[in-house]
Amino acid sequence: DTAVSQTPKYLVTQMGNDKSIKCEQNLGHDTMYWYKQDSKKFLKIMFSYNNKELIINETVPNRFSPKSPDKAHLNLHINSLELGDSAVYFCASSPPGLAGDDEQFFGPGTRLTVL
Amino acid sequence: AQKVTQAQTEISVVEKEDVTLDCVYETRDTTYYLFWYKQPPSGELVFLIRRNSFDEQNEISGRYSWNFQKSTSSFNFTITASQVVDSAVYFCALSEARFGNEKLTFGTGTRLTIIP
Repeated sequence: DTAVSQTPKYLVTQMGNDKSIKCEQNLGHDTMYWYKQDSKKFLKIMFSYNNKELIINETVPNRFSPKSPDKAHLNLHINSLELGDSAVYFCASSPPGLAGDDEQFFGPGTRLTVL
Repeated sequence: AQKVTQAQTEISVVEKEDVTLDCVYETRDTTYYLFWYKQPPSGELVFLIRRNSFDEQNEISGRYSWNFQKSTSSFNFTITASQVVDSAVYFCALSEARFGNEKLTFGTGTRLTIIP
């Protein structure tokens, strides 16, 4: 009965590789997000999608490409991985309603380590 | 642009002491929402509270209480009679009431350690 799930939980890879992180929510929410948490624990929005449409792209490099095949899924594909991409990536979702008012439900996070 | 400041990077208190975590925010909007999240050592983000800008009533939930003061743009969080399980990083966050921009802007977090 997991609300927001992410796979994999851990990802270790070499510089230059391409990798994907998957996110699924079973809450029936319309809006999904990707956040990045760096080594200093700073959390920052990367993208948001509403009903499969890109709403926010917070000056993320082109190497990062989100894909939403349906409103329950928001995957994150990263090309040509760099050392600085090492972080914990959190997926989140929120229900439709008053803008900004809703609690965002977070997935467990994916710890990406680039060697 | 919106901004959230958590000036306390780390706090340590002895178990059963009370502790207050400070949060100061900046926004040009008159309608906005404030949140607190807890991140325990296991890493997940746990929602604690949501407050809208028109509701300045303080809130108490068990040992947790929140003090929202618009006059000082602060939304502080107090844990009463702290316990070891309260050890975590706590994040304050702000969201604007603007459809299509419901991102959370987080503070840098306060690492709270409760010493047994």
